Amino acid sequence: NAGVMQNPRHLVRRRGQEARLRCSPMKGHSHVYWYRQLPEEGLKFMVYLQKENIIDESGMPKERFSAEFPKEGPSILRIQQVVRGDSAAYFCASSPPTRQGNGYTFGSGTRLTVV
Amino acid sequence: DQQVKQNSPSLSVQEGRISILNCDYTNSMFDYFLWYKKYPAEGPTFLISISSIKDKNEDGRFTVFLNKSAKHLSLHIVPSQPGDSAVYFCAATTDSWGKFQFGAGTQVVVTP
Repeated sequence: NAGVMQNPRHLVRRRGQEARLRCSPMKGHSHVYWYRQLPEEGLKFMVYLQKENIIDESGMPKERFSAEFPKEGPSILRIQQVVRGDSAAYFCASSPPTRQGNGYTFGSGTRLTVV
Repeated sequence: DQQVKQNSPSLSVQEGRISILNCDYTNSMFDYFLWYKKYPAEGPTFLISISSIKDKNEDGRFTVFLNKSAKHLSLHIVPSQPGDSAVYFCAATTDSWGKFQFGAGTQVVVTP
């Protein structure tokens, strides 16, 4: 009964490289959310996806960031041409189709370090 | 625009005493509120929630209070235990059930 699986747990990239973060939702969950936590700050919403659809991307930076949740496979958060300011913990969460009292289930996060 | 605020970055409490964490919000459209607990190097885990139609919800040692007129939320932990030492985030959402707005978190340290 795996929870939300994120990989890698830690990712180091040089400035200008691409970062790909993966998230496999819990079984039966069709909604995926990505959040970013900068040092000393709370979690900031980035994007909300359902299978093959982006529902709300109001928190995504306009450039270099993209997300997808294909029909098969994990959700991917892609950051192109990373900069030092992208260093953060990126958390994925999933939820079932119907609203429930326990909110999302979060993964353990991917800690991105840009050097 | 920070719509959910936790003004106390840290709280220290003795084991066995009550921990009270506070959260204020500005958006009157929020209708569902949650508290999450987070240990270092782990993702947040759901703790307790409350709908805007209620003013109190209790689950074991954890009680959440909602004061809609004051746009204020609080979490009470009684009695506090060493395992409660963690960062606590409050979060809120509107009826659209999509994104949550999170506060910046309160670091709770429970001392023996």
